[in-house]
Amino acid sequence: GAGVSQSPSNKVTEKGKDVELRCDPISGHTALYWYRQSLGQGLEFLIYFQGNSAPDKSGLPSDRFSAERTGGSVSTLTIQRTQQEDSAVYLCASTVGTGQETQYFGPGTRLLVL
Amino acid sequence: AQSVTQPDIHITVSEGASLELRCNYSYGATPYLFWYVQSPGQGLQLLLKYFSGDTLVQGIKGFEAEFKRSQSSFNLRKPSVHWSDAAEYFCAVGANTGGFKTIFGAGTRLFVKA
Repeated sequence: GAGVSQSPSNKVTEKGKDVELRCDPISGHTALYWYRQSLGQGLEFLIYFQGNSAPDKSGLPSDRFSAERTGGSVSTLTIQRTQQEDSAVYLCASTVGTGQETQYFGPGTRLLVL
Repeated sequence: AQSVTQPDIHITVSEGASLELRCNYSYGATPYLFWYVQSPGQGLQLLLKYFSGDTLVQGIKGFEAEFKRSQSSFNLRKPSVHWSDAAEYFCAVGANTGGFKTIFGAGTRLFVKA
């Protein structure tokens, strides 16, 4: 596709359940980011993938959060044993790579944990 | 590590009035600086960016920003605000530290009154 896509667009889950959020970056983009945007808050960096390098996981808030990127393209953010404070919009962005760092954002996944 | 501060949580301006949104960053070397806009129900879109060269940067929608190293600032300006500019504005700083990582500010919400 022409842009970054994310699925699902909305997810409602019960506390304690696991959820998986998907991001399809722009074809050819080597770098991929995940952010969390809580209500009224800025963008909180979660994790960053660049090519085949080890991901920068420094923003993951707890060990319940993990992400992987298969084949250098699609990425999945997994939240285990969800808590109410995990409710937020999860945004994915991709960039061409080093030297071209404009980030192209997906529409986000709105997660609500009941 | 880099950081970004947007001192104003929200700003209200009259349509046709000038606008300045403040952004201060912290980073030891020359940063890459960005302004993004998030309109209601829309994804984040890049307004402008500074990597090097002329410290006054022109962006889309009539916005500009000026990099002032001495003040560690990258304020966003527009001479005449339109009602459609009502949105959330995010300043971001990126750094190439073995991989390119971008940190966003908390955002400033702009309200435009008729």
